[in-house]
Order: sequence, then C-alpha cells, then structure tokens
Amino acid sequence: DAGVIQSPRHEVTEMGQEVTLRCKPISGHNSLFWYRQTMMRGLELLIYFNNNVPIDDSGMPEDRFSAKMPNASFSTLKIQPSEPRDSAVYFCASSAAQGGFGYTFGSGTRLTVV
Amino acid sequence: AQSVTQLGSHVSVSEGALVLLRCNYSSSVPPYLFWYVQYPNQGLQLLLKYTSAATLVKGINGFEAEFKKSETSFHLTKPSAHMSDAAEYFCAVANFGNEKLTFGTGTRLTIIP
Repeated sequence: DAGVIQSPRHEVTEMGQEVTLRCKPISGHNSLFWYRQTMMRGLELLIYFNNNVPIDDSGMPEDRFSAKMPNASFSTLKIQPSEPRDSAVYFCASSAAQGGFGYTFGSGTRLTVV
Repeated sequence: AQSVTQLGSHVSVSEGALVLLRCNYSSSVPPYLFWYVQYPNQGLQLLLKYTSAATLVKGINGFEAEFKKSETSFHLTKPSAHMSDAAEYFCAVANFGNEKLTFGTGTRLTIIP
C-alpha cells in the first residue's frame, strides 16, 4: 500500500497564477479530506468528500478555491488566482467509513506564493 | 458539536523523563479519540486510537493513552522520553457514523538532552 500520494511536494508560484494540487487516496477509502496548515491558524479542514461527493466545503476560504473528485482514486484542489496569503502546507487525507478508523495523511504540498 | 482542547502548546521534558501530553474532549455521544504525531516537514501519522474497546490504548513508539469518561480526557503518555520523540502531537475526536475528525491545536514536544 503506497499510502496517500500528493503531488507536487513543493510548489512555488507567482501571485495571480493558477495552482493545482493533486491527491490519490488509499484504494478502498471512501472519504477524502483537504486540510491547510499554517503557523497562525494550525490545521484547517477545507473540504471533504464521501464517495466522491463533496459533503462539507464550509472551510473553503473563498471562491478562489475549488476542489473536485472526479473518481474514487483522484482529487484536485485548485487556487485561481493565487495570493501570497495562500502560502501554506496543504494536506490530503483519506479514511474508510464510520470515523473509527482515523485518517491516513499524505506528505503534503508546501505552497509558496510570491 | 465535538471538540478537543490540548493544554500546553509547548512541552519540554528531559531525555528519559515521563512524557505527558494533555487532551480533553467534548462530545454529545461516545467519541472516537485519536493521537497523531507530526515530524518536521512530514504529514500526520496515527499514533493510537480509542474506539470504545479497552480504555487503555497502546500505540506505536511506546506511547499510550487512557480514556477517562469521568474526566473527559484522553492524555498521551510515554514512560521514558527519547530524542526522536521531538515532534508536534495532535489530539482528535470523531463520532460514530461521522468520518469528520476535529483536531486540537497541537502540542510541540521538545526533548532536552
């Protein structure tokens, strides 16, 4: 089992550019979560999917952020246009149902917007 | 609504000393509780979890935690700290049937040689 795979590991982009972060969850997990981690705000849940359907996107900071899960093995988080305040580490996690299994996290994408 | 409170954003202990990281939860139904560890520049890794079986839960790297319903606590302990334990630790809570985890703000553990 390769775990949750995120790409890229690091992304540096200029303000105003579009950024796409990618995630491949563990096979058989039916829930997928996107988190953002910063020193100031800690871990923030942005959005989560269950069976490829967005369930709660209340954490998405604004319309510049969007997420999709076209199938059970792939999800994207897109920021368009990017701003310096979006600089953070973005984590993807997946889990099986019922909550009792906990999450498996990916290694994260460190985004720097200059 | 469920929540967790981690007391102490920074904890320092000497190598070989007891590690105690505190977590209190709030939940309207019996919870599932978790501890995660994050090493520098890495993702979060599951240390241990409580899912309504034994109240004393043993995890990886010699850590354990005890679920105390009367105190609404799930404190993490390790008898003897090792330098490699230096990391950030997160407590989290979930409810049965709800896969959404709520994380605490984290405790950074420093080990003094």
